[in-house]
Amino acid sequence: KQEVTQIPAALSVPEGENLVLNCSFTDSAIYNLQWFRQDPGKGLTSLLLIQSSQREQTSGRLNASLDKSSGRSTLYIAASQPGDSATYLCANAYSGAGSYQLTFGKGTKLSVIP
Amino acid sequence: DTEVTQTPKHLVMGMTNKKSLKCEQHMGHRAMYWYKQKAKKPPELMFVYSYEKLSINESVPSRFSPECPNSSLLNLHLHALQPEDSALYLCASSRGGLVLSGNTIYFGEGSWLTVV
Repeated sequence: KQEVTQIPAALSVPEGENLVLNCSFTDSAIYNLQWFRQDPGKGLTSLLLIQSSQREQTSGRLNASLDKSSGRSTLYIAASQPGDSATYLCANAYSGAGSYQLTFGKGTKLSVIP
Repeated sequence: DTEVTQTPKHLVMGMTNKKSLKCEQHMGHRAMYWYKQKAKKPPELMFVYSYEKLSINESVPSRFSPECPNSSLLNLHLHALQPEDSALYLCASSRGGLVLSGNTIYFGEGSWLTVV
């Protein structure tokens, strides 16, 4: 069974700093790697989806990469802002039983200090 | 419209009560999901409906009863819950099962459930 690990569990950085969140997975046969953001007490918002044939995706200040050989994905956030404070979850996303299946990591709680 | 709407946002119920959580989407999605999330934990899949038929039940206790009346609505009926069932319940939907760029899963804001 695919296991997804996120380190660190929590991260605090000053505003304006560039930062990297890490995600690792046990099985190199990962399907697709998806990054989500969750604000306290709220639902999840998809940030970036890297399909298994891709190596990276970019959206604004966010860049996510996928290295299947090393079993790692990283989410790079440039010029962090207090509004980036949230929990970031990575997940192995795959198709199963006609539905969109997700195996989540436990998340990294990011605090950006003004 | 890329919204998944959940009601109520907060629910407090006693262990002998019967209540329901509701979820609605108007994106034409044919797969709908219930997740349970405890504090500081990732969401855990409970049920999946695909084309209005239950396709996955992750060994959820029978005190949770899902229902999909039509392609836009998903309910979770609650009865005889325990305090440990207190959690954030998230509904989600997707166009189908294919994981493709431009075809992702959308989550609602969740319903906070407290069982007393």
